[in-house]
Amino acid sequence: GQQLNQSPQSMFIQEGEDVSMNCTSSSIFNTWLWYKQEPGEGPVLLIALYKAGELTSNGRLTAQFGITRKDSFLNISASIPSDVGIYFCAGGMDSSYKLIFGSGTRLLVRP
Amino acid sequence: DAGVTQSPTHLIKTRGQQVTLRCSPKSGHDTVSWYQQALGQGPQFIFQYYEEEERQRGNFPDRFSGHQFPNYSSELNVNALLLGDSALYLCASSLADLYGYTFGSGTRLTVV
Repeated sequence: GQQLNQSPQSMFIQEGEDVSMNCTSSSIFNTWLWYKQEPGEGPVLLIALYKAGELTSNGRLTAQFGITRKDSFLNISASIPSDVGIYFCAGGMDSSYKLIFGSGTRLLVRP
Repeated sequence: DAGVTQSPTHLIKTRGQQVTLRCSPKSGHDTVSWYQQALGQGPQFIFQYYEEEERQRGNFPDRFSGHQFPNYSSELNVNALLLGDSALYLCASSLADLYGYTFGSGTRLTVV
């Protein structure tokens, strides 16, 4: 079935560092989304990408929709302690109502 | 403006029992999707309801069923519970234009 490979699985970084994580798939997606989940909460949408090659920012977050439509990356600049959480990528196809989620990148930030 | 509300927040059930989880969508949203999130994994799509009908179903057995009411709220029912059904069950609401999901905080189901 469709799978998203998300890496790295976890990151432990110093406050102020930049972070990069990515998601790859063997399938083509028409939409890529990035979510953040904190303990005891549901995922919260950070960035949505709808076109191949699209680069979108949301504050210190920047995400890109890969040209091949099989990958996406998320960058976080100048990390702060409240960036701690699990970041999920998710892909969607026009022919389907479901989102396929990656297994997440756990981010820990050392003050 | 209330977001997505799920109840209960936590639940413990015994193998073989049945469970019903409830979801009230965000105001203005008409579509409800249910996802199962096992520990350490990403959410997996169970099904989506729109206009009180199941619009799409993921790879889950018939033990998982749902319902959407005229006020757009929804229920997820799981029969004959297995230990492997232990997970966080997430409800997400949206407008019918697919992916503008708002997730609830989930119901943590433990099957013993």
